[in-house]
Amino acid sequence: KQEVTQIPAALSVPEGENLVLNCSFTDSAIYNLQWFRQDPGKGLTSLLLIQSSQREQTSGRLNASLDKSSGRSTLYIAASQPGDSATYLCAVRPGETSGSRLTFGEGTQLTVNP
Amino acid sequence: NAGVTQTPKFQVLKTGQSMTLQCAQDMNHNSMYWYRQDPGMGLRLIYYSASEGTTDKGEVPNGYNVSRLNKREFSLRLESAAPSQTSVYFCASRTGVINEQFFGPGTRLTVL
Repeated sequence: KQEVTQIPAALSVPEGENLVLNCSFTDSAIYNLQWFRQDPGKGLTSLLLIQSSQREQTSGRLNASLDKSSGRSTLYIAASQPGDSATYLCAVRPGETSGSRLTFGEGTQLTVNP
Repeated sequence: NAGVTQTPKFQVLKTGQSMTLQCAQDMNHNSMYWYRQDPGMGLRLIYYSASEGTTDKGEVPNGYNVSRLNKREFSLRLESAAPSQTSVYFCASRTGVINEQFFGPGTRLTVL
């Protein structure tokens, strides 16, 4: 059974710092991996999607990488801002077909201090 | 595009009452999902629908029923609410091309 772990559970950094959030998964046979952001009391917003054949995806100050063989993904946030404060969730779609269902990590709660 | 919408946003029920949570998407997605989110438990899949006319159980289906009314709408029904069903409920849908999943804003349900 696929398991997804995100470490650390919480992270506090000063504004302007570059930071890395980690996601690990137990089964390297994945279809894709998706990073989400969740603000308090809100739904999940999709940030980046990496297909199994890709190594990384970028959107603005965000860069997500994928290393299937080691079962790891990282989300890099450049020049962090207080508005980046949120919980970041990683989710893996297992298997070799698109029909499988996402398995979520429990998230990293990020606080960026002004 | 409104994306994925959910109603109501908040609801308080008494034990034993019933209610239906509504979800709609305007992105023409085939697959739709219902999750619940609880502190320390993460997101857990309740039911999903791979396409119009089909539904399947997820991890935690007990106490719930679903209806895929048409391609746009997927509802979740609690027939006899219990305090253990106090949670935040999220509906989601998935694109069929790149398989990216999108979530609604959630329904915060309290069962007294």
